[in-house]
Amino acid sequence: DQQVKQNSPSLSVQEGRISILNCDYTNSMFDYFLWYKKYPAEGPTFLISISSIKDKNEDGRFTVFLNKSAKHLSLHIVPSQPGDSAVYFCAASPSSGSARQLTFGSGTQLTVLP
Amino acid sequence: EPEVTQTPSHQVTQMGQEVILRCVPISNHLYFYWYRQILGQKVEFLVSFYNNEISEKSEIFDDQFSVERPDGSNFTLKIRSTKLEDSAMYFCATSEMLAGGNNEQFFGPGTRLTVL
Repeated sequence: DQQVKQNSPSLSVQEGRISILNCDYTNSMFDYFLWYKKYPAEGPTFLISISSIKDKNEDGRFTVFLNKSAKHLSLHIVPSQPGDSAVYFCAASPSSGSARQLTFGSGTQLTVLP
Repeated sequence: EPEVTQTPSHQVTQMGQEVILRCVPISNHLYFYWYRQILGQKVEFLVSFYNNEISEKSEIFDDQFSVERPDGSNFTLKIRSTKLEDSAMYFCATSEMLAGGNNEQFFGPGTRLTVL
């Protein structure tokens, strides 16, 4: 089941530069998308979300872009900091259902080099 | 800042034994979830719970699994007869009930279950 795909298992970026993490989905019923950050031995931490009625949402250094026609979203982190080094998960939920189950991608390990 | 807590942090059990994993949700949250992550694999949805009943469950959540909120605070996941393949990190998550329905889920730190 590959409804949410993160094709890059890892990404290395220099401190101060932009990190771009990508995510693709196949299920057209998904209409709410989230990014989570996860450190080892901890649970996923919510970062930012976007509804399908928008194409961009910004929160500080984090911006999520959604391209519905391409079924693609991306997370931009600028400027990247060493503390951003973690695994980043893309998740999506459908438009139906009162309690929305999340479908996760496989994650991208981001390493920000000082 | 309010957070979801889970106990125990690590549970080791023998195959065939019952285990109960516990979660304390954020106080004003009304939706509760269990997810699991087998080592090296994706985080997978197990079940959602609202108003004292299951809202949705995945095909993973078979008859050996059950959830309840016995005392109005703890939210528990019971695995009746554990199997080797149940070894995983189990995450509890909770969310508010807001108009529009797009509510981020907040995750606990997880319980690492090891079945021997």
